[in-house]
Amino acid sequence: DIQMTQSPSSLSASVGDRVIITCQASQDITNYLNWYQQKPGKAPKLLIYDASNLETGVPSRFSGRKSGTDFTFTISSLQPEDIATYYCQQYDSFPYTFGQGTNLEIK
Amino acid sequence: QVQLQESGPGLVKPSQTLSLTCTVSGGSIGSTNYYWSWIRQPAGKGLEWVGRVYFSGSTNYNPSLKSRVTISVDTSKNQFSLKLRSVTAADTAVYFCVRDKALGARSRFFDNWGQGTLVTVSS
Repeated sequence: DIQMTQSPSSLSASVGDRVIITCQASQDITNYLNWYQQKPGKAPKLLIYDASNLETGVPSRFSGRKSGTDFTFTISSLQPEDIATYYCQQYDSFPYTFGQGTNLEIK
Repeated sequence: QVQLQESGPGLVKPSQTLSLTCTVSGGSIGSTNYYWSWIRQPAGKGLEWVGRVYFSGSTNYNPSLKSRVTISVDTSKNQFSLKLRSVTAADTAVYFCVRDKALGARSRFFDNWGQGTLVTVSS
């Protein structure tokens, strides 16, 4: 299985801060990576697909990119409604796997 | 707007079979553009892909569960189903049914999720 390692596992930031989450795959996954947001008690929501494409209707403060073998997810200006857990997910090969999640809190 | 809704027992006894159904509304499960997946999440933990089915009945499973899981599709009812045999407490989780966008043989992304249903394995 491809292991997806996210960092940090938790993060506390202030409204307006730039937030960056990193995801590293245990092997090359090209750009076959997605990012999801999950709020408590809710299903995950797709934010970014193919490493850097913004899903329709998702605010432009969310972005993703590939840098070398790592993937980064950025919130350019944190808003109160962004409090959630964020997951990366690879779809390069079976079984599709997720990172362990990054729990984002407001300071 | 496609909607997915899970249904099934919320409590299953150890060693028995967990059975869930997902009803798809607002779109056809027979679309060639999508696969249909099950993903589960134990309380306070991360997400685990269980497996997927195509409208043709073709399936792919997570190897960690493959010996115990069957996913099937009923296009006449616009539903797909999950059966997980010989359950233990470790199978206690919220189970989500999910639409995933096809990219050839790959699932490109999970773009539409059911609300999830908690299944507890306990005697």
